[in-house]
Amino acid sequence: GQQVMQIPQYQHVQEGEDFTTYCNSSTTLSNIQWYKQRPGGHPVFLIQLVKSGEVKKQKRLTFQFGEAKKNSSLHITATQTTDVGTYFCAGSSNTGKLIFGQGTTLQVKP
Amino acid sequence: KAGVTQTPRYLIKTRGQQVTLSCSPISGHRSVSWYQQTPGQGLQFLFEYFSETQRNKGNFPGRFSGRQFSNSRSEMNVSTLELGDSALYLCASRTSGGEVEQFFGPGTRLTVL
Repeated sequence: GQQVMQIPQYQHVQEGEDFTTYCNSSTTLSNIQWYKQRPGGHPVFLIQLVKSGEVKKQKRLTFQFGEAKKNSSLHITATQTTDVGTYFCAGSSNTGKLIFGQGTTLQVKP
Repeated sequence: KAGVTQTPRYLIKTRGQQVTLSCSPISGHRSVSWYQQTPGQGLQFLFEYFSETQRNKGNFPGRFSGRQFSNSRSEMNVSTLELGDSALYLCASRTSGGEVEQFFGPGTRLTVL
């Protein structure tokens, strides 16, 4: 069945350093969504990417969707302690089901 | 606008019992999805309901079922509980099938002893 792999599983960075998490799907996706979950909280929708090669920015966050629509990345520039949490990608195929990656947990040392 | 609410927030059951979890979506939202979150398996899609009809289903056994009422509130039921069913059960709502952004509730933490 469809699988979405996400790496790395954990990342510890010093405040001010950059951070990137990568997502790869075993099949071509219709779209990909990104979520953030703070410790003890619930996932919060960040963005959706639909078009091949799409790049979207939200302040210090940059989201990319691969040309083949099978991979995606989230890059955070100059991390802050407020960026701490687990970042999930979720891919949707033409069936409409959302398949989540395992998430990348980000720790930021002040 | 009130957010997605889930009841109960915490639940302890024993193996073999059954459980019903409730989700009230944001007012005006007609789509409700359910997810199971565990440390080992991550976030897994259970099912989605839209206008009282199940529109999508994940790969879970038949012990997991759900339904949606005319006011869009949804319930999920797990029968014959197993230890592995211990998880955080999250529900998420969105306005319609075309709307992307879904809003998650705080979840119900189910512990099966």
